[in-house]
Amino acid sequence: GNSVTQMEGPVTLSEEAFLTINCTYTATGYPSLFWYVQYPGEGLQLLLKATKADDKGSNKGFEATYRKETTSFHLEKGSVQVSDSAVYFCALSDLGNAGNMLTFGGGTRLMVKP
Amino acid sequence: EPEVTQTPSHQVTQMGQEVILRCVPISNHLYFYWYRQILGQKVEFLVSFYNNEISEKSEIFDDQFSVERPDGSNFTLKIRSTKLEDSAMYFCASSLSGRALDEQFFGPGTRLTVL
Repeated sequence: GNSVTQMEGPVTLSEEAFLTINCTYTATGYPSLFWYVQYPGEGLQLLLKATKADDKGSNKGFEATYRKETTSFHLEKGSVQVSDSAVYFCALSDLGNAGNMLTFGGGTRLMVKP
Repeated sequence: EPEVTQTPSHQVTQMGQEVILRCVPISNHLYFYWYRQILGQKVEFLVSFYNNEISEKSEIFDDQFSVERPDGSNFTLKIRSTKLEDSAMYFCASSLSGRALDEQFFGPGTRLTVL
C-alpha cells in the first residue's frame, strides 16, 4: 500500500535559519504530493503541492520538488520566521474507485526561536 | 474566505455511548471526507462521500461508523458505541472534485475523548 515517511520532530531553529524537513513516499501508482501545515488550534491548511515528477511547489517562501527517482518531496525554506512555528505534514493522494484519499506522514513539529 | 467548520470542538463521552460529530463543508464542494488522528500518531483516512453515498472507506471505518448528509449543509460522522480507542482528533474535509490534485480543505477538528 501507500505510505509517507517524514522526519520526526521537533525541529528547533533560530529565526532566519534554513529549514529542511525530509519526506519520502511509497506509492503503487503516480500520486500527487502535498505539504499541509497545522498552526496551533487550527485545522490542516494546504501549503503547497506538486502533481508530477520534477514539479516544484512553492508558497510563502517554502518549496518542495517532486523527485520520482528518489521518491522524495522534501520541504525547504531559506529563512524561517517565528510565525512558521507549526506542525508540517507531508501527504500523497491516492485515487480510489471514486474520489480522493490522502495518506499522511506522521507530522513534524517546527519551533522557531527569536 | 469560505471555510470548513466543525462542532463541537471537544466532545467527552462514556464508553458505549453514541456520538455524532458535525461538519459544515464549503458550500459548493461535492466531495466530503473524515480523517482522524490518534494522539501522537498519523492522520488517517476514514471515509469519503460523494453524491450521497460512501465512495471509499478504510479498514478503520467498520460497522460502528456511519456518515450522513442529512440536509444541504451538514455532514456528520456517527460512532454507534464508542470505545476507548476511538479517542482521537477527528477532521472533516471537503473538496470541489475528487481529482488527486484538488486541494482538500480541512476543518479545525473535533477532539473526542472516550472515558
